Amino acid sequence: GAGVSQSPRYKVAKRGQDVALRCDPISGHVSLFWYQQALGQGPEFLTYFQNEAQLDKSGLPSDRFFAERPEGSVSTLKIQRTQQEDSAVYLCASSLVRDPRREQYFGPGTRLTVT
Amino acid sequence: AQSVTQLDSQVPVFEEAPVELRCNYSSSVSVYLFWYVQYPNQGLQLLLKYLSGSTLVKGINGFEAEFNKSQTSFHLRKPSVHISDTAEYFCAGKRDNQGGKLIFGQGTELSVKP
Repeated sequence: GAGVSQSPRYKVAKRGQDVALRCDPISGHVSLFWYQQALGQGPEFLTYFQNEAQLDKSGLPSDRFFAERPEGSVSTLKIQRTQQEDSAVYLCASSLVRDPRREQYFGPGTRLTVT
Repeated sequence: AQSVTQLDSQVPVFEEAPVELRCNYSSSVSVYLFWYVQYPNQGLQLLLKYLSGSTLVKGINGFEAEFNKSQTSFHLRKPSVHISDTAEYFCAGKRDNQGGKLIFGQGTELSVKP
């Protein structure tokens, strides 16, 4: 079946622009996670949804970052007034249920470059 | 603080040689442990996971890892590597009461040479 998809795969933004990154999780997956992966680093947790509820947003680096999942499926990560330090790969992952023992399935990521 | 530490940023190895990628974790993140592989321009793929029970865990592509509580380690091993194993490898952990978010190490770049 289809895996997690993300769009766009690559995004170049000028400093100060707003961007929106989309994640389509595996159909029926309840949990959805966003991670930020800076160059040469491991992914870092940003935020977590269970269905449409955002249960943890402790990893969002500033109030310029906003995520939503209004219907409990597709999610959008929005970054306002982008800065150069926002340049990274943004990974989305989904999991069938909330159980932390369950595998998270990752999308290919969106590479954001802020110039 | 929760942390996962990968002790080697790069590991070069010749084809068909054995390899060990080292991972240590803090006790605050030790409930569940995972190894992921990331090929260029792709997402992360789960290699194996330790949840409980047997400390030796076998995964895909001939990889295995051993959970060592006394040494707080979860090293990844493969007895004979292939060129196709060249990739970035991430160790990660998570706790039972935190919704499932993964705490990743910094990654180890495995480079297999002919």
